Amino acid sequence: DIQMTQSPSSLSASVGDRVTITCRASQAITNDLGWYQQKPGKAPKRLIYAASSLQSGVPSRFSGSGSGTEFTLTISSLQPEDFATYYCLQHNSYPWTFGQGTKVEIK
Amino acid sequence: EVQLVESGGGLVQSGRSLRLSCTASGFTFGDYAMNWFRQAPGKGLEWVGFIRSRAFGGTTEYAATVKGRFTISRDDSKGIAYLQMNSLKTEDTAVYYCTRDGSGSYGKGRAFDIWGQGTTVTVSS
Repeated sequence: DIQMTQSPSSLSASVGDRVTITCRASQAITNDLGWYQQKPGKAPKRLIYAASSLQSGVPSRFSGSGSGTEFTLTISSLQPEDFATYYCLQHNSYPWTFGQGTKVEIK
Repeated sequence: EVQLVESGGGLVQSGRSLRLSCTASGFTFGDYAMNWFRQAPGKGLEWVGFIRSRAFGGTTEYAATVKGRFTISRDDSKGIAYLQMNSLKTEDTAVYYCTRDGSGSYGKGRAFDIWGQGTTVTVSS
């Protein structure tokens, strides 16, 4: 199975801060990776697909980069509605696997 | 509107069975693989399994934790995917989500883009 190591597990940040979350795959997954935002009691919402493509309707402050084994999600200027938990998901080979999640909290 | 709606969750005793449904609308259901994921209380997300579209054989894959106990099927005429859960364990307690994957037919842009709201399964001992 491909292990996805996501870091940090949590972070505290202020509105306006730049935030970066990283996922590292245990083996190469080309760009078969998505980033998801989840708020309490809600379904995951896709932000980024194919590692760096922005989902339609998602603000441009969200961006993704990487290929192979190293991937990052960047929020360029954190907004109040961005406080949530973020997950990466690889779908290169099954079982599809998630990172452990990053909880973004208000500082 | 493109939408997925899960149903069928509830409280069930350990060892019993339950069938979840995922009803699709607003898109050509038969073109998509359908996935099930779950999230135990206070935990992260876990893939459960998927069923390919008919064009790709309609075959299934499962996570090791559910293989042999869970079965995914689909009725393209009704736009519904099913998750049959047998021999339930307390550790199967979770919110179950369905999502579509059109990457086989439409490219990576349609991979896990739409999720249902989830249905809660609670397995008691």
